[in-house]
Amino acid sequence: GAGVSQSPRYKVAKRGQDVALRCDPISGHVSLFWYQQALGQGPEFLTYFQNEAQLDKSGLPSDRFFAERPEGSVSTLKIQRTQQEDSAVYLCASSYTSGRTDTQYFGPGTRLTVL
Amino acid sequence: GQQLNQSPQSMFIQEGEDVSMNCTSSSIFNTWLWYKQEPGEGPVLLIALYKAGELTSNGRLTAQFGITRKDSFLNISASIPSDVGIYFCAGITGANSKLTFGKGITLSVRP
Repeated sequence: GAGVSQSPRYKVAKRGQDVALRCDPISGHVSLFWYQQALGQGPEFLTYFQNEAQLDKSGLPSDRFFAERPEGSVSTLKIQRTQQEDSAVYLCASSYTSGRTDTQYFGPGTRLTVL
Repeated sequence: GQQLNQSPQSMFIQEGEDVSMNCTSSSIFNTWLWYKQEPGEGPVLLIALYKAGELTSNGRLTAQFGITRKDSFLNISASIPSDVGIYFCAGITGANSKLTFGKGITLSVRP
């Protein structure tokens, strides 16, 4: 079966532009997570959805970051007025349930470069 | 915020050698996980640990959940070239399963 897919794989934006990053989780997975991975660092949590409900957005670095999952499947992470410090790989992960013993499966990520 | 500490940043070993990686935290985690990431890919789960003191193996990989719940280690035995990659430890504390990652250790294996 298909894993988690993300698009685009690479995105170059000029400072100040808005970007939208898409995540297609594994079909039927309830939980969806977004992480940000800066160069040479581990992923850092951004936000979490259980179905369409955004239960935790404590990791979003500013109000320029917005995520949605309106039908409980595909999710979009939007960054408004991009800044150079937003350059990173954005990873999406999904899991079948919301339990801590449930494996999170990661997509390949979207590499965002802000010039 | 919570942080997981992994060091050194890089390790270089000879094919066939065993290698051990440690991960420590100042906070308690109730789940510890080890992931491997290769270039251009997302992290892939290697081993998950759910109880303090638990020792779990997955092929040539063995990991343990520390008794204090503040550390974990990963051993790779008889390394092979395809073990090359970045190894991350990660922990879970809360109910929503969000992961806290270490900075990772880049493993190089010389043939």
